[in-house]
Amino acid sequence: GEDVEQSLFLSVREGDSSVINCTYTDSSSTYLYWYKQEPGAGLQLLTYIFSNMDMKQDQRLTVLLNKKDKHLSLRIADTQTGDSAIYFCAESAVTGGGNKLTFGTGTQLKVEL
Amino acid sequence: DTEVTQTPKHLVMGMTNKKSLKCEQHMGHRAMYWYKQKAKKPPELMFVYSYEKLSINESVPSRFSPECPNSSLLNLHLHALQPEDSALYLCASSQSQQGRNTEAFFGQGTRLTVV
Repeated sequence: GEDVEQSLFLSVREGDSSVINCTYTDSSSTYLYWYKQEPGAGLQLLTYIFSNMDMKQDQRLTVLLNKKDKHLSLRIADTQTGDSAIYFCAESAVTGGGNKLTFGTGTQLKVEL
Repeated sequence: DTEVTQTPKHLVMGMTNKKSLKCEQHMGHRAMYWYKQKAKKPPELMFVYSYEKLSINESVPSRFSPECPNSSLLNLHLHALQPEDSALYLCASSQSQQGRNTEAFFGQGTRLTVV
C-alpha cells in the first residue's frame, strides 16, 4: 500500500518557526494526529485535527489540513531546543475494535542555537 | 492521568527463552494495542484488543502471543524469537467508540534485544 509520507529531516534555528509536512493516503480518516518521539522514548500525543476542520491552534502548535490534497502540516512557533525530536503524523481508521493508526515515515527536527 | 506504563523498560533474551512484556493503564480505556518499532522507522500495528477481546491481528507470527487479562492490563508473551525481532515494543490505549475521537496514548516502550 501507499506510505504516509513525510520529509526525513528539518533543521531550524532556535526561535524560528518549524513547519513539518505530511501527505496521507486515506481520505476517509476522521482524525489526523501528530506525535513526538524523543530518543529512546515512547510517543507523545501533541495534537489532532478533525477532518472537517482546516486549522487548529494549540499554544505554539498550529495544524493545517488540506483535505483535497491530503496534506497535513504542523507548525511549531518559537522553536526551542527541547523541541528536537522525531515527529510522526498518523492517519486513523476507526474500526469497531479501536483506532488503527498508520504512521508517517517521521521527520527528525533538529533545533540549533 | 494519561499514563500507560510498560515493564520492563529493557529486555535481553535468548532465542530459546520465554518472556513477557506487560502494559497497564487506568484511564478506563477499552481498546489496547501493541505496536512494534524498528530503528529509524515508524511504529507498526501488531494487535488490537477491544473490550478484552482480540479484534485485530496484523498477521503477526505466532511466536508473539498477546493476552488481555482485564480491561487495564495487556501482555505480550514472547517465545522462540529471532534476532530480527529486536525492536522497541510500544503499548497504547484509547477509547473504543466508533465515530468518536479515539486518540491513542502510548507507553514508553520496552526495548527488546534478542541474542
